[in-house]
Amino acid sequence: KAGVTQTPRYLIKTRGQQVTLSCSPISGHRSVSWYQQTPGQGLQFLFEYFSETQRNKGNFPGRFSGRQFSNSRSEMNVSTLELGDSALYLCASSLDSAATGELFFGEGSRLTVL
Amino acid sequence: ILNVEQSPQSLHVQEGDSTNFTCSFPSSNFYALHWYRWETAKSPEALFVMTLNGDEKKKGRISATLNTKEGYSYLYIKGSQPEDSATYLCAFNGGATNKLIFGTGTLLAVQP
Repeated sequence: KAGVTQTPRYLIKTRGQQVTLSCSPISGHRSVSWYQQTPGQGLQFLFEYFSETQRNKGNFPGRFSGRQFSNSRSEMNVSTLELGDSALYLCASSLDSAATGELFFGEGSRLTVL
Repeated sequence: ILNVEQSPQSLHVQEGDSTNFTCSFPSSNFYALHWYRWETAKSPEALFVMTLNGDEKKKGRISATLNTKEGYSYLYIKGSQPEDSATYLCAFNGGATNKLIFGTGTLLAVQP
């Protein structure tokens, strides 16, 4: 079965712009969670969506937001980009809970903010 | 603030060596402990999700143990192969927040 698909894979933005990243989970998976990876840091949890509702949220500013559609596809948005937002953004899907169930990760979207 | 610590940060071994790394986590409010393998230019891949104290899981040459009372998990690789070269991540769920907190990983390089 198809894996988790993230688009775009690479993108370059400038400070102040906004960006939208997309994630299509494995068919049948209802949970989509998002993570940020920066050099020297572990994966930082951004948020989890389940059945179109945000189930959990990490400690990121309100510039980071997300949503999930009825087909379980999810998007995350970062507004007013800052240099420090340059990172690899990974999404993961799971059957139920992102915290207890096995996560299936996409290949990530690498964002560079200039 | 919950901290998940992994050691060592990096490890270089020869092909055929057996190796192990450690994941330390808060010993209170344990709910689940995950291990993932992340090869360069690929996605992290789940190895184990462990929920019970004393749990031991095995997948091929890789195995893991869990001690929730003292707050640690060991990952063992028997007879390392070059294809085992990757970053090994652990992630802890303390239950109260139901969020996964990842360690910074152990980077394993296996020399042929």
